[in-house]
Amino acid sequence: QSALTQPPSASGSPGQSVTISCTGTSSDVGGYKFVSWYQQHPDKAPKLMIYEVSKRPSGVPDRFSGSKSGNTASLTVSGLQAEDEADYYCSSYAGSNTFVFGTGTKVTVL
Amino acid sequence: EVQLVESGGGLVQPGGSLRLSCAASGFTLSDQFMDWVRQAPGKGLECIGRTENKVNMYTTQYAASVKGRFTISRDDSKNSLYLQMNSLKTEDTAVYYCVRELAGGFDIWGQGTMVTVSS
Repeated sequence: QSALTQPPSASGSPGQSVTISCTGTSSDVGGYKFVSWYQQHPDKAPKLMIYEVSKRPSGVPDRFSGSKSGNTASLTVSGLQAEDEADYYCSSYAGSNTFVFGTGTKVTVL
Repeated sequence: EVQLVESGGGLVQPGGSLRLSCAASGFTLSDQFMDWVRQAPGKGLECIGRTENKVNMYTTQYAASVKGRFTISRDDSKNSLYLQMNSLKTEDTAVYYCVRELAGGFDIWGQGTMVTVSS
């Protein structure tokens, strides 16, 4: 299956909000509640930030929130901080016991 | 502490083989669905294989890009997961992550191990 579509980049000033979209199809994002988001700093392993569209694992700040409408999921980072500068990837269950990742978005804190 | 530690990466020639290991601590591997995710240099993430838990008889699935060449296995006595990679191609060059799958997401990631396929 094809990778989910994310914008290559997004940016915001400290304290502002940034929203990243993740567009798929009815066979993945639109068809299941299993959409998750990952933060990856350079040369580090990805970290789970959101699962099941909008749930936050323990320890993830509530500045991070997720939502979904139709075939598009979104991650919003509110109150941007310097440490939020990273690459972000979405992922969705795609049926038949498979998962697909997004193309990735580089978030820059201006 | 819940942790995954991969090992076994390195440089291998095209057509060669390599076996990656993933040691789990802080939880029982046999109870969990586990995946291998790779990331080519400067590229995005790709889930290449998945193994269900003991209750589901360790059923495995593979991405089309590695099916027939890669095999996932487990050793419950060592609480470890393995990825046997055969007939390696230059496009298999990537960091390979061992990942725990939970609630439709990947909640625990290893530090990754680099595999370079080059002559």
